[in-house]
Amino acid sequence: DTVLTQSPALAVSPGERVSISCRASEGVNSYMHWYQQKPGQQPKLLIYKASNLASGVPARFSGSGSGTDFTLTIDPVEADDTATYFCQQSWNDPNTFGAGTKLELK
Amino acid sequence: QVQLQQSGTELVKPASSVKISCKASGYTFTSNYMHWIRQQPGNGLEWIGWIYPGNGNTKYNQKFDGKATLTADKSSSTAYMQLSSLTSEDSAVYFCARSGYGDWFAYWGQGTLVTVSS
Repeated sequence: DTVLTQSPALAVSPGERVSISCRASEGVNSYMHWYQQKPGQQPKLLIYKASNLASGVPARFSGSGSGTDFTLTIDPVEADDTATYFCQQSWNDPNTFGAGTKLELK
Repeated sequence: QVQLQQSGTELVKPASSVKISCKASGYTFTSNYMHWIRQQPGNGLEWIGWIYPGNGNTKYNQKFDGKATLTADKSSSTAYMQLSSLTSEDSAVYFCARSGYGDWFAYWGQGTLVTVSS
């Protein structure tokens, strides 16, 4: 299976820019997607196919990358962005998710 | 608007089975793949498989072959997942999620907590 590696946690101050990385163990073309999950809630799609903003998602969120290295950027970070962020690839079978990056605000 | 409403919390005994449901509304149920995803306590997300309600075709993550069985009822726009031979390892929140033209998930159910305990 394709393993997606994310850093476990990040802490930033409101108003700053933060980049969350996701590295795939093998190429996934541009089929990398990003989700935000808050405690007790279902995940919410933020970005699909590496760089496409999902409907209703603020333009503060953006995605980039291709192949094996991908980045989710939030600029500027707001207090409500405290959450865990997951990447997911759908190029290789089976679909796999990263373990998540927990974003905390200082 | 698209909504996926899942059945409630289940407390089940080891070695038993459980069937959870996901009722879809706000779109044509038979025209989109329905996926199931597991989230174990404190852990990440695992894709279990999908069903295409239009023709009943299914695809499973090999890890869940024999553990999960996906079905769908077109008359009630409801997808089901049955989990069998339950162990404590199956204790988790299970989500249904709809994909669009690619396997990313813009719509999710609220999740069903399954706890396996004697």
